[in-house]
Amino acid sequence: GEDVEQSLFLSVREGDSSVINCTYTDSSSTYLYWYKQEPGAGLQLLTYIFSNMDMKQDQRLTVLLNKKDKHLSLRIADTQTGDSAIYFCAATNAGKSTFGDGTTLTVKP
Amino acid sequence: GAGVSQSPSNKVTEKGKDVELRCDPISGHTALYWYRQSLGQGLEFLIYFQGNSAPDKSGLPSDRFSAERTGGSVSTLTIQRTQQEDSAVYLCASSFREGANTEAFFGQGTRLTVV
Repeated sequence: GEDVEQSLFLSVREGDSSVINCTYTDSSSTYLYWYKQEPGAGLQLLTYIFSNMDMKQDQRLTVLLNKKDKHLSLRIADTQTGDSAIYFCAATNAGKSTFGDGTTLTVKP
Repeated sequence: GAGVSQSPSNKVTEKGKDVELRCDPISGHTALYWYRQSLGQGLEFLIYFQGNSAPDKSGLPSDRFSAERTGGSVSTLTIQRTQQEDSAVYLCASSFREGANTEAFFGQGTRLTVV
């Protein structure tokens, strides 16, 4: 089955850009998602990209997809302390989503 | 309500007791997932239901864990003879199977504490 991997921790300074990386194994994955989990809260969808795209931009967020390498990244520009959270990537195939273990982003003032 | 609803929100149980956790998915969603999240950890996949297909139980950690989904809607996760290592937040999510977007919508979780 699908395997999704992420680095566990990332620490950046406020105002810097953050880049969170994710790899997946199933080349048939159709949608790739980023979810955000703030402390003490549930997971919520942040953004997503369809597999026939290689980039999607949404305000401070940029998602890059390299289908050949099965690599997905989330870039957060001008990172703020409020962006501190756990970020999960997920790959979906035939309606089933497989999640990575999450990357804990810490933003230092 | 419009979202995924889980109950109870908190459950404290004695070691060795059985517990049942309930999930009401979003109406019309055919896919339903159960995950477990220990303190500060990532998501641990437990089980996946999709329509009338046989569930994917590959993530259930032991035979003390089981789940049902009745009528393609409400799901119950049962943990028998609970152990302290079962303490975690149990998250339920639902999604459409087909269509332009198969985003998973998560409930707020049930925090299980085994004492």
